[in-house]
Amino acid sequence: EAGVAQSPRYKIIEKRQSVAFWCNPISGHATLYWYQQILGQGPKLLIQFQNNGVVDDSQLPKDRFSAERLKGVDSTLKIQPAKLEDSAVYLCASSLGQFNEQFFGPGTRLTVL
Amino acid sequence: GQQLNQSPQSMFIQEGEDVSMNCTSSSIFNTWLWYKQDPGEGPVLLIALYKAGELTSNGRLTAQFGITRKDSFLNISASIPSDVGIYFCAGRNYGGATNKLIFGTGTLLAVQP
Repeated sequence: EAGVAQSPRYKIIEKRQSVAFWCNPISGHATLYWYQQILGQGPKLLIQFQNNGVVDDSQLPKDRFSAERLKGVDSTLKIQPAKLEDSAVYLCASSLGQFNEQFFGPGTRLTVL
Repeated sequence: GQQLNQSPQSMFIQEGEDVSMNCTSSSIFNTWLWYKQDPGEGPVLLIALYKAGELTSNGRLTAQFGITRKDSFLNISASIPSDVGIYFCAGRNYGGATNKLIFGTGTLLAVQP
C-alpha cells in the first residue's frame, strides 16, 4: 500500500515570496493533517481536514497560511508571504478516521532566506 | 503551542545497552503514543497506550502509561544501531471532534556499534 506522498521534498525561497506544498494521502483516508516541525522540536498541528471540511485550524497563522482539500483527497498548503521563522519541515499525515492511527509523509523541508 | 517535556534530550550509548526515556505533561491525556523519526522521514508509530497504568510491549520496546495520566515512559532493551533516531512522545485527548496530537520535544538516540 502506498504511503502519504508529499512534494516537493525541499524548497528554498526568499522572505516575502510565496510557496505551496502538496500532499496525497493514503487511499481511503478521510482525515488529513498538516504539521509544522521546527528544527529541534516535535511536530505541531496546523490544520486538520475531515474529508474536505476543516475540523481544526486553531494553530494556523491565517494571515499568511492557507490550506485546502477541495475534493476530499489531495491537499495543498500555501504560505504567502513567507517569513524567516517559517523555515521548518512541513509534514502531511492521514488517517482512516479522526481517531485512527495517523500515518506521516516524508515532509517538505522549507528554508526561507 | 503546548509541547510535552521529554528527557533526556539526547543519549549516546553502546550497542547492547538498555535505554529509558520519559515524557511529562502539565495536563492529562487519554492516550499516549510513542513515535520514531529517522532523518528526512516522517514519524512512525511505535506503541500506543490507552489506559492509565497500561504497560505495552512491541519487540524490544516497552512503554507505560503513567497512573497520573500526565506521564509516559519508553524503554528499549538491547539497543542495536538501527535504533538510532529521534523518539517523540505524543499525548491525545478525545475532547471535542479532533484527534489533535501534542508532541514532546524529542529524545535523540545515538548507538555506538
